[in-house]
Amino acid sequence: GAVVSQHPSRVICKSGTSVKIECRSLDFQATTMFWYRQFPKQSLMLMATSNEGSKATYEQGVEKDKFLINHASLTLSTLTVTSAHPEDSSFYICSASPHGTGGYYEQYFGPGTRLTVT
Amino acid sequence: RKEVEQDPGPFNVPEGATVAFNCTYSNSASQSFFWYRQDCRKEPKLLMSVYSSGNEDGRFTAQLNRASQYISLLIRDSKLSDSATYLCVVTAAGNQFYFGTGTSLTVIP
Repeated sequence: GAVVSQHPSRVICKSGTSVKIECRSLDFQATTMFWYRQFPKQSLMLMATSNEGSKATYEQGVEKDKFLINHASLTLSTLTVTSAHPEDSSFYICSASPHGTGGYYEQYFGPGTRLTVT
Repeated sequence: RKEVEQDPGPFNVPEGATVAFNCTYSNSASQSFFWYRQDCRKEPKLLMSVYSSGNEDGRFTAQLNRASQYISLLIRDSKLSDSATYLCVVTAAGNQFYFGTGTSLTVIP
């Protein structure tokens, strides 16, 4: 159980184009999903927290107009990198937590999306 | 001060050795604690949750010390396959998850 999928796993795009990444919880409902970015040999950096049916909460320094997040259902959140530039090239990972009112549960991570902007 | 701090290492240990990592957290109201493992160019995978009473899973033992605000991970009889980065994660009110920067472990033949 607790499987999170992410699509695509790898994408190469040209500078100025937009890329959409999907994150799905396959066997549980996730009221909260998280989007991270990780550069080589660095730790995970939280970009935003996505709540189903409401606006995402972005971390300081993350441009909400550039990284559009939509959490339309309890099993799907999407991240769209708009007008991508080479410096946006990174490993993007989503995670989902079956958080409930009873407490905090562990996060389960998707396999990640490696974005290369040329 | 960072919410969660870990020694980045690297820890280079021979096969069969016992190795321990600590992770300190700053928020005394932290609620849940986890250890994750991340292999190179892969996503983090949950290794184990850390309970107040401590817990053990095979060669892995996790402990929580609320008084001193740290969690630990002990790996006994290290295997080559244990080589990875180990991340500690702490949660707080408001569904906030805080990640440590990770501790790098390399097990040497």
